[in-house]
Amino acid sequence: EIVLTQSPATLSLSPGERATLSCRASQSVSSYLAWYQQKPGQAPRLLIYHASNRATGIPARFSGSGSGTDFTLTISSLEPEDFAVYYCQQRSNSPRTFGQGSKLEIK
Amino acid sequence: QMQLQESGPGLVKPSQTLSLTCTVSGGSISNDSYYWSWIRQPAGKGLEWIGHIYTSGTTNYNPSLKSRVTISLDRSKNQFSLKVSSVTAADTAMFYCARDGAAFDIWGQGTMVTVSS
Repeated sequence: EIVLTQSPATLSLSPGERATLSCRASQSVSSYLAWYQQKPGQAPRLLIYHASNRATGIPARFSGSGSGTDFTLTISSLEPEDFAVYYCQQRSNSPRTFGQGSKLEIK
Repeated sequence: QMQLQESGPGLVKPSQTLSLTCTVSGGSISNDSYYWSWIRQPAGKGLEWIGHIYTSGTTNYNPSLKSRVTISLDRSKNQFSLKVSSVTAADTAMFYCARDGAAFDIWGQGTMVTVSS
């Protein structure tokens, strides 16, 4: 099973700042990595697939990069609605696995 | 647009079988080349993929649950279902169904299942 390790566990920033979240895989997942946003009481929402492709309706301030084992989700300028938990997920190998999540909180 | 909706009992007794259904609307579960997945999330914890079924009926399960899980497809009702046998309190979680293509791009709202006597 591929283990995904996300860092930091918690990131405290202010609106308007830039957020950088990391996801490291225990072995190469090529570009088969996705990012999700989850707010309290809601289902996760797909942000990025294939490492760098924004899903339908996702604002341009969200971007993904990386390949192999190291990936990054960047939010260029935080909006109040961006404070949430973010998960990475791989579909390179079965079983599909998720990272443990990174919480983005308001400073 | 396509929507997914989970349904099933919110309370299951230990050792019994948990059964959930995901109803797909706004599109056919048979016409597109997607997998249809179940994912769970214990309260305050992360996401765990349970398994999926392809439009052909082929299944793939997470080894952590494989011996207890069955996922099936009902094309006539545009639904897919999950059964988890011999449940314990550790199976208490929010259960989500999701369309599984390039990623989990469409999710149901989730249904909470508690295992308790």
